[in-house]
Amino acid sequence: SAVISQKPSRDICQRGTSLTIQCQVDSQVTMMFWYRQQPGQSLTLIATANQGSEATYESGFVIDKFPISRPNLTFSTLTVSNMSPEDSSIYLCSVEAGTGTYEQYFGPGTRLTVT
Amino acid sequence: RKEVEQDPGPFNVPEGATVAFNCTYSNSASQSFFWYRQDCRKEPKLLMSVYSSGNEDGRFTAQLNRASQYISLLIRDSKLSDSATYLCVVDNQAGTALIFGKGTTLSVSS
Repeated sequence: SAVISQKPSRDICQRGTSLTIQCQVDSQVTMMFWYRQQPGQSLTLIATANQGSEATYESGFVIDKFPISRPNLTFSTLTVSNMSPEDSSIYLCSVEAGTGTYEQYFGPGTRLTVT
Repeated sequence: RKEVEQDPGPFNVPEGATVAFNCTYSNSASQSFFWYRQDCRKEPKLLMSVYSSGNEDGRFTAQLNRASQYISLLIRDSKLSDSATYLCVVDNQAGTALIFGKGTTLSVSS
């Protein structure tokens, strides 16, 4: 299975600021995903990031709020822009276990608190 | 109707018990089904895929009923280490993303 790391593991930020979360994978993967897990809730997909193309955002999420970069096949970033307390959540990246499979491996997550 | 629904629990069982979790999904076109396990303050980890014929992995058995749009997970001989939240996961109508249920919490006690 892929080994996925995320930075930072946690952060406390002031409202109005932005935070960029990094996701690094130990092998090349085509598709990377960014999820949000709000307190007491399950995971919600924010966007799918493919290398060399614009990220595809799910309903309710927009690029201006959650810009994503995917500069190569092992790395992606998610920025949470102009944060408000409602953005307090765990943000997780994931990758497909294999081409054509929907099984995914998840990073350890970034726990964000916005004050 | 929510896309993926689970009984949130918690299920509190003694060691050695058999426990079953149920899940229903709304999208009849879904093709891929999974159970993930999430420990407290950890990321979700794939427990097992769910196949139409049903599948078993040690103490864990998963069943799929497409006609009823129903998925189940059976855990036999529960261990303390089975304590976690179990997430039912289904692919979306477009087959481009995974939809997660809110999870069922299991607590196994000695």
